[in-house]
Amino acid sequence: QVQLVQSGAEVKKPGSSVKVSCKSSGGRFTNLAVSWVRQAPGHGLEWMGGIIPIFGTAKYAQKFQGRVTITADESTETSYMELSSLRSDDAAVYYCASGPEIVEVLATTWSRFDYWGQGTLVTVSS
Amino acid sequence: QSVLTQPPSASGTPGQRVTISCSGSSSTIGSNPVSWYQHLPGTAPKLLIYSNNQRPSGVPDRFSGSKSGTSASLAISGLRSEDEADYYCAAWDDSLIGGVFGGGTKLTVL
Repeated sequence: QVQLVQSGAEVKKPGSSVKVSCKSSGGRFTNLAVSWVRQAPGHGLEWMGGIIPIFGTAKYAQKFQGRVTITADESTETSYMELSSLRSDDAAVYYCASGPEIVEVLATTWSRFDYWGQGTLVTVSS
Repeated sequence: QSVLTQPPSASGTPGQRVTISCSGSSSTIGSNPVSWYQHLPGTAPKLLIYSNNQRPSGVPDRFSGSKSGTSASLAISGLRSEDEADYYCAAWDDSLIGGVFGGGTKLTVL
């Protein structure tokens, strides 16, 4: 059973960056497609992007291209999401999520999330 | 505005059957499988349905999913008070080349 544990709440100033971590256990990290999903107050869920460590490269939603960087450290089985140039509307709960282990990218890879982190609240305030 | 369109709200009484729709396009639901999630405030979303109509182990068979063309539906039968939550559909978008969620449907159990 995969478990995902995220880093704690963050308070950031507009224009700065935030980096949230997501540590995996209980599964083969290299074969997990780890996505990052956020929910701003009063809004729905929003897919930001994801990474499959065994394949290396990350995939990003067009909305966040150039502003988000998703990485994976196989030695610590941890994924990171860094969002730069923070604005007030980036204030949200950020989740990492993953489906089952994969050996190839499927049509469900970036929309099926069996496992979720507990969420990390990011506040953006001057 | 979300790529996948859901009604903002739905309601039912205990024991009733309710359905929640999710409308997409040829690049989303029309060519990719749909997942459904239940989201309670203050908790992480929970996967209810994947690949249009498959239930993960532990999800009651009161929850079922279907897909036809560019639309999908989540049905909840034998409605219970604990089903009151937000429900989201999700799929891959071949045009955006990314995952997309519906705007969410708030289900109220009257």
